[in-house]
Amino acid sequence: NAGVTQTPKFRVLKTGQSMTLLCAQDMNHEYMYWYRQDPGMGLRLIHYSVGEGTTAKGEVPDGYNVSRLKKQNFLLGLESAAPSQTSVYFCASREDREKVIEQFFGPGTRLTVL
Amino acid sequence: GENVEQHPSTLSVQEGDSAVIKCTYSDSASNYFPWYKQELGKGPQLIIDIRSNVGEKKDQRIAVTLNKTAKHFSLHITETQPEDSAVYFCAAFSQGGSEKLVFGKGTKLTVNP
Repeated sequence: NAGVTQTPKFRVLKTGQSMTLLCAQDMNHEYMYWYRQDPGMGLRLIHYSVGEGTTAKGEVPDGYNVSRLKKQNFLLGLESAAPSQTSVYFCASREDREKVIEQFFGPGTRLTVL
Repeated sequence: GENVEQHPSTLSVQEGDSAVIKCTYSDSASNYFPWYKQELGKGPQLIIDIRSNVGEKKDQRIAVTLNKTAKHFSLHITETQPEDSAVYFCAAFSQGGSEKLVFGKGTKLTVNP
């Protein structure tokens, strides 16, 4: 099992450009999450999904959109990138079982917006 | 909503010493408290967790304690080794409630040989 993978690993954008970050998991997990990590801020939830075809807003959703068309994939989109979106983005997933709450994280995508 | 405070933000210890990281949470509905370790350039990885019906949990050199009344929980690492150097995050989760993991801001632990 590859676990949680993220594409791309690094990206540099200019202000106003758009891009999509891809998260894929091969563990048949129901729940998927997108976080951003900024220095001194910990991880903050952007959007999440509790199953295929569903999405919900997290703590910092503005400027981002998401889609979960397939259970194994969770896409994060930036329609018009801004320098404030320079960050490291992490995707995570977990099972939908009462006794298993552990979230498994991907390796991250480092995004720089100039 | 939930708010998690984590202290200290940096911690430097000598190899073999113990390290303690403390977190407080605000939402009494939170019932699951994981600790994640993040090595440089990698994603966070779960190292230990505790549920609200348990006061303490140990796994080899790592232990976590929970005080529900005071709403705080702590990570204890004994006999520290250089490979313990990393950033550690605490988090709080309300299962059956918000179902969202709220993280502390992290502690950078350095273990000096």
